[in-house]
Amino acid sequence: DAKTTQPPSMDCAEGRAANLPCNHSTISGNEYVYWYRQIHSQGPQYIIHGLKNNETNEMASLIITEDRKSSTLILPHATLRDTAVYYCIVRVRYNFNKFYFGSGTKLNVKP
Amino acid sequence: EAQVTQNPRYLITVTGKKLTVTCSQNMNHEYMSWYRQDPGLGLRQIYYSMNVEVTDKGDVPEGYKVSRKEKRNFPLILESPSPNQTSLYFCASSLGPGKETQYFGPGTRLLVL
Repeated sequence: DAKTTQPPSMDCAEGRAANLPCNHSTISGNEYVYWYRQIHSQGPQYIIHGLKNNETNEMASLIITEDRKSSTLILPHATLRDTAVYYCIVRVRYNFNKFYFGSGTKLNVKP
Repeated sequence: EAQVTQNPRYLITVTGKKLTVTCSQNMNHEYMSWYRQDPGLGLRQIYYSMNVEVTDKGDVPEGYKVSRKEKRNFPLILESPSPNQTSLYFCASSLGPGKETQYFGPGTRLLVL
């Protein structure tokens, strides 16, 4: 599975959009981009995933660049409850092997 | 309610005393996995299982054992715990190929003295 690079931390004002970047320059054609988050010491929570098209669900939007070497997770209206560590993971779908979480980005949403 | 449960949630033990952390899911998921989380090291996979009687090592399997005799249960066994296994442990499950969204348990905090 391709490696990912994320900034260690980011700040965002409450009510504003939070844009979390992820670099995955070695991604291959059959690898998906997954995003999870972990609030404090709770179990990680799935957010969204995609292959090459932009995706949106009730939690967030995922924007993947045309060359697929990077992506951005967008939380449209961040709240204090969105303060968490966000993990970008790249892996082959239908490939049930190891799952690498990396170190993630600590998002601090401030009032 | 669909969930992954772990027991115990907190455990203090001594070096060398065998222990088992149980994990159970009620979603009929094929895939189950164990992770440990340590400050500065993030989440690291210990073992995973693709189905009953099928298990494989993750990144940090040393000192751990697992078994998958039933689909719903995936216990983590520490035969002879050592202080470097003090950690926060998470169990996770997912439906199967093509549905890899993982659902995590609440975590087990283990302290080995």
